[in-house]
Amino acid sequence: QKEVEQNSGPLSVPEGAIASLNCTYSDRGSQSFFWYRQYSGKSPELIMFIYSNGDKEDGRFTAQLNKASQYVSLLIRDSQPSDSATYLCAVISPGGFKTIFGAGTRLFVKA
Amino acid sequence: DTGVSQDPRHKITKRGQNVTFRCDPISEHNRLYWYRQTLGQGPEFLTYFQNEAQLEKSRLLSDRFSAERPKGSFSTLEIQRTEQGDSAMYLCASLGTGQGHHEQYFGPGTRLTVT
Repeated sequence: QKEVEQNSGPLSVPEGAIASLNCTYSDRGSQSFFWYRQYSGKSPELIMFIYSNGDKEDGRFTAQLNKASQYVSLLIRDSQPSDSATYLCAVISPGGFKTIFGAGTRLFVKA
Repeated sequence: DTGVSQDPRHKITKRGQNVTFRCDPISEHNRLYWYRQTLGQGPEFLTYFQNEAQLEKSRLLSDRFSAERPKGSFSTLEIQRTEQGDSAMYLCASLGTGQGHHEQYFGPGTRLTVT
């Protein structure tokens, strides 16, 4: 079992729709959770972080964390073609140093 | 631009040669990570520094890899006797001292090609 799992996609949504990206993690002691966006050929860019159970909203983005289910999600409302990228889920392992990334989900937003 | 810089941006080397990469983090950041990323995969943790102390190193790394952060500012990653499997993007990320905050900001990466 991978430590952080994501559906590789591609996930294709029409412009204006809600894109839903999911991530599960294996270590129940994980504390901090992140979503990064990575455009082709570029480095990852932090878009959301969440440390507590529940929802956290920032503009068009909402991160959701359910520690009991070991599940993190990212919702992108009013998706735009510029949102087309790979979205990486990342988890800080217990102990607070090692960061484990999933392989990422490719998102395509069709104009 | 996150304020994290890496040099060089691209490096082509022959198998068996040594290479060294540099990372300059955001000036007020005291924590620094190195990662390796291959096509279709997420970044893979290599090592972590807090100030000049290397607090964790991936067990996946062989002895050919070494990293330093001598004055707690810039960091270097050296790969000795490069192999074709070392071809990847090498990423550096920095983060500040805020307690409980773990948000990392990535540099542009160094793309290594071993021929």
